[in-house]
Amino acid sequence: GQQLNQSPQSMFIQEGEDVSMNCTSSSIFNTWLWYKQDPGEGPVLLIALYKAGELTSNGRLTAQFGITRKDSFLNISASIPSDVGIYFCAGLFLGTASKLTFGTGTRLQVTL
Amino acid sequence: DTGVSQDPRHKITKRGQNVTFRCDPISEHNRLYWYRQTLGQGPEFLTYFQNEAQLEKSRLLSDRFSAERPKGSFSTLEIQRTEQGDSAMYLCASSYARRGEQFFGPGTRLTVL
Repeated sequence: GQQLNQSPQSMFIQEGEDVSMNCTSSSIFNTWLWYKQDPGEGPVLLIALYKAGELTSNGRLTAQFGITRKDSFLNISASIPSDVGIYFCAGLFLGTASKLTFGTGTRLQVTL
Repeated sequence: DTGVSQDPRHKITKRGQNVTFRCDPISEHNRLYWYRQTLGQGPEFLTYFQNEAQLEKSRLLSDRFSAERPKGSFSTLEIQRTEQGDSAMYLCASSYARRGEQFFGPGTRLTVL
């Protein structure tokens, strides 16, 4: 099935650094979601975006809904060890479809 | 709010056996989804229910797979005559019909030997 393109695929960062990742699609979505998944667990919802250009924060996390509606961005400020995990974007066209289309994931590893 | 729960968390079976998984959604959510996730990939949609009606099925859902949500509450996913290619994490999620946020359970890890 279709998967959205996420970049970077993986990254090593030092504790305290800021992190940026993005997600691109060939299709338009009207909803973007960002999830974090730990090994052996289900994805946990971090942020939901509903409007093109929208910028939403959740603690140290900030996400943006791209104005083209084909991309989204996630920033993590001042990373800490518990930020380790895989981050997935997911797009949805709410109203005409119900399934989430997920990205390929960005694996974040933090060094002390 | 107890969140979405799934049972079992892990299942090891031999090829050719049937397996059944259960999902209990967040109680006030009327939509329930099943996804499958293989190693190194994002989850892929299998099917979803609104109340007890199964409204969409993916092409990934072969005729060996069947899902039910008999009373609009919990759901079961059955795989008949399992194959090694069915080995994956099976994830359940729930949501309100008019909201985009889907909340996932911890998943059931299936290993077919």
